[in-house]
Amino acid sequence: SQTIHQWPATLVQPVGSPLSLECTVEGTSNPNLYWYRQAAGRGLQLLFYSVGIGQISSEVPQNLSASRPQDRQFILSSKKLLLSDSGFYLCAWREAGEEAFFGQGTRLTVV
Amino acid sequence: SQQGEEDPQALSIQEGENATMNCSYKTSINNLQWYRQNSGRGLVHLILIRSNEREKHSGRLRVTLDTSKKSSSLLITASRAADTASYFCATDNTGGFKTIFGAGTRLFVKA
Repeated sequence: SQTIHQWPATLVQPVGSPLSLECTVEGTSNPNLYWYRQAAGRGLQLLFYSVGIGQISSEVPQNLSASRPQDRQFILSSKKLLLSDSGFYLCAWREAGEEAFFGQGTRLTVV
Repeated sequence: SQQGEEDPQALSIQEGENATMNCSYKTSINNLQWYRQNSGRGLVHLILIRSNEREKHSGRLRVTLDTSKKSSSLLITASRAADTASYFCATDNTGGFKTIFGAGTRLFVKA
């Protein structure tokens, strides 16, 4: 069966520090991969999605970037974090036209 | 911009009552999905209904889709305290790659 791993679960980082969040999927190949951000009590904002290795689509121009170095690995990065980057980050995978499966999320607090 | 918008934003009911949540969207869709999120956790898929379907059931869940009105509803029958969570609708763009979420409905079921 397919599983998705996302880590770390929580992260506290100072302003200006770099960020790297990792997400890996098992049990499937060539999945569509997604990064979402959720502000407290709000819906999910689509940040990036990828339909294949090295293919990244950015939905919101901002301080973040994403990479897909391997088929089942999706990384969210920042060179210098801002206070506004705080939030709950969720990785998800899906096959086109089907339901999405989410990781447990990373709570990022930028201080 | 947001594709799906849920209504109401919050709902408080007694255990045993039915809960109805609505979702409206703006553009043509391939399918519409409903998800549940417990506080601080990832989202869990509940039901996916395709654009050529009008109604779908899963246990105590009933989802309807009206493409002419660009709206969907999620009905939870005989609610339980454990149903307390946030519920989100999500829609795919016609390419099937982008999944956009609404702001969610917070459901509180009182025991």
